[in-house]
This record gives sequence, C-alpha cells and structure tokens, in this order.
Amino acid sequence: KAGVTQTPRYLIKTRGQQVTLSCSPISGHRSVSWYQQTPGQGLQFLFEYFSETQRNKGNFPGRFSGRQFSNSRSEMNVSTLELGDSALYLCASSLGLAGGALGTQYFGPGTRLTVL
Amino acid sequence: ELKVEQNPLFLSMQEGKNYTIYCNYSTTSDRLYWYRQDPGKSLESLFVLLSNGAVKQEGRLMASLDTKARLSTLHITAAVHDLSATYFCAAIIQGAQKLVFGQGTRLTINP
Repeated sequence: KAGVTQTPRYLIKTRGQQVTLSCSPISGHRSVSWYQQTPGQGLQFLFEYFSETQRNKGNFPGRFSGRQFSNSRSEMNVSTLELGDSALYLCASSLGLAGGALGTQYFGPGTRLTVL
Repeated sequence: ELKVEQNPLFLSMQEGKNYTIYCNYSTTSDRLYWYRQDPGKSLESLFVLLSNGAVKQEGRLMASLDTKARLSTLHITAAVHDLSATYFCAAIIQGAQKLVFGQGTRLTINP
C-alpha cells in the first residue's frame, strides 16, 4: 500500500509570493491533516479535512488555507509569504470517522519551504 | 487547552544503557502517540496507547500510559546507535481532530 505522498518536496519562494502544496493520502483514508514544523515552534497543527470539510483549524493567520477534493487529496495554500513561513510542512492521513475520531495519523515526507 | 511537555529535550547516552523519556499532558486525552523522526525525514509512528495502563513494546523500545497521572513514558533498553533520533509524543482530545505534540526529545547514542 502506497504511503502518503507530498509534492513538491522542496520549494524556494520570495516574500510576498504565494505557494500551493499538495498531499495525496493513503488509499482509503478520508482524513487529511496539515502540520507546520519549525525549529523554534516545533510541530503545530494547521487544519484537518474530512470528506471535503474542514473540521478543525489551528491558530494560524488567514493567509494559510486549505481544501480537500472528493478523492481525499488535499492542498494547502499560503499567500503573501513571509520569512517566518519557512518550515517543513507535513501532511498526515488517517482513516477518520464521521463522528470525529481521527485514528492513527501516517505522515508524508513533507515539503520543505524556504522563503527568501 | 491541551498542552504536552516532554523531558528531557536532549539526551546523550552510551550504547548499552537504559533511559526513559517522559511525556506529560495537561488535560484528559483519549490516546497518546509516540513518533520517531530522523534528521531531514518525516515522522514514523511507533506506538499508540489507548487506555490507562497500556504498555506496548517493539524491540528495545517500550511505551506506557498512566491516564490518571497524565503521563506516558518511552523506555529505551540497552540502547544502540540506530536508535539515535528525535522522539515526539502527541496527545489527542476525542472530537478535536488534531494532535498536540510535545517539543521532542533529541536522543544521541554514542558508541
């Protein structure tokens, strides 16, 4: 069974630009979560999607947004990039249940974003 | 708000020794996860602990959960160099659909 895939793996952008990251979950998984990892703040939750609906959102500004498609693939978008957005962005998928249970999350390899 | 704290944050130990990483969480949690991360890599799931008193073992690693004390431990037995990595614990509140991670423990095992 293929794992979680993320594209691209590396990105270099300049301040003010926008970026879109993609995540394909494990087949059959309906929940996709996004996390930001930085040396200073550690691993922080961005948002979680289940069946194309955002169920929970972390404490990030509105410049961070996401969506999920009917095939469970997810994208996250960051607009008006700032230097502090440089980070490893991790996507995780899990079976998820309609009632809210998340299940074990399996992480993708991440996208390393560098903002210059 | 759920908070998760690990200690120690850095641990350097010799091969063959035993040690324990501690993970405290601030409010009732439904389950506790342990992950491993190698430098430049993603997170690898190690253990999921679902109930009070749960104990799971894989090789030289053993994880346990005490929900009354809001404490999980990851015990390393007879450490080997291959176990060098950063270890994260994470807790979840049912219905919250998000993991809250500890700061991570960077483990270095020296020959």
